[in-house]
Amino acid sequence: QLQLQESGPGLVKPSETLSLTCTVSGDSINWGSHYWGWIRQPPGKGLEWIATVYQTERTYYNPSLKSRVTISVDSPKNQFSLRLSSVTAADTAVFYCARQDYDGNSHWYFDVWGRGTLVTVSS
Amino acid sequence: QSALTQPASVSGSPGQSITISCTGTSSDIGTYNYVSWYQQHPGKVPKLIIYDVTRRPSGVSDRFSGSRSDYTASLTISGLQAEDEADYYCTSYTTSRTLVLGPGTKVTVL
Repeated sequence: QLQLQESGPGLVKPSETLSLTCTVSGDSINWGSHYWGWIRQPPGKGLEWIATVYQTERTYYNPSLKSRVTISVDSPKNQFSLRLSSVTAADTAVFYCARQDYDGNSHWYFDVWGRGTLVTVSS
Repeated sequence: QSALTQPASVSGSPGQSITISCTGTSSDIGTYNYVSWYQQHPGKVPKLIIYDVTRRPSGVSDRFSGSRSDYTASLTISGLQAEDEADYYCTSYTTSRTLVLGPGTKVTVL
């Protein structure tokens, strides 16, 4: 059964870089048809798409975050990661990793989600 | 990119049908049939309930249905039940090869 698990520090200082990893079990991160993405949700607010990666070939970023975000894949570890630089309190959120399946038509939906991890930006 | 537009809240009585709208532009909903909808109960992980405008993942109740007309996608919940009380988010792929989301709609079962 496919499972995704986010991991990383729960507390990050302002101006530093937030780094999160999503470990995928029950599926190969390099299997041809899947994309992998990060979504965040500030406390009490809505969802925001951050970035998506396809193997090590293609990356897609939210334009509003693009200058600060890097998404990457570590194939041997079956993981993908997120780095968000120069964080502020506004980046405090629950961060979710998710799989983007392919139905022969589109990759652009998240069918399996991790449980999410709360990252607080504070000194 | 501009966020999609959703009503802040929609309510209905048990057994009724409600519809949540999601309005975009020619750069997203107006061009692609790549609209998806997610249900999120308080403190829980979002759940995919509709993708590619009308398709339902296995295991999702057929009381949920999706449609699209011009720049607006819609999610209809028929036979409203207490368990449907949650937040609902729409998303769409865009011509900029990005994903845009709506702010979410809170559904209340009266």
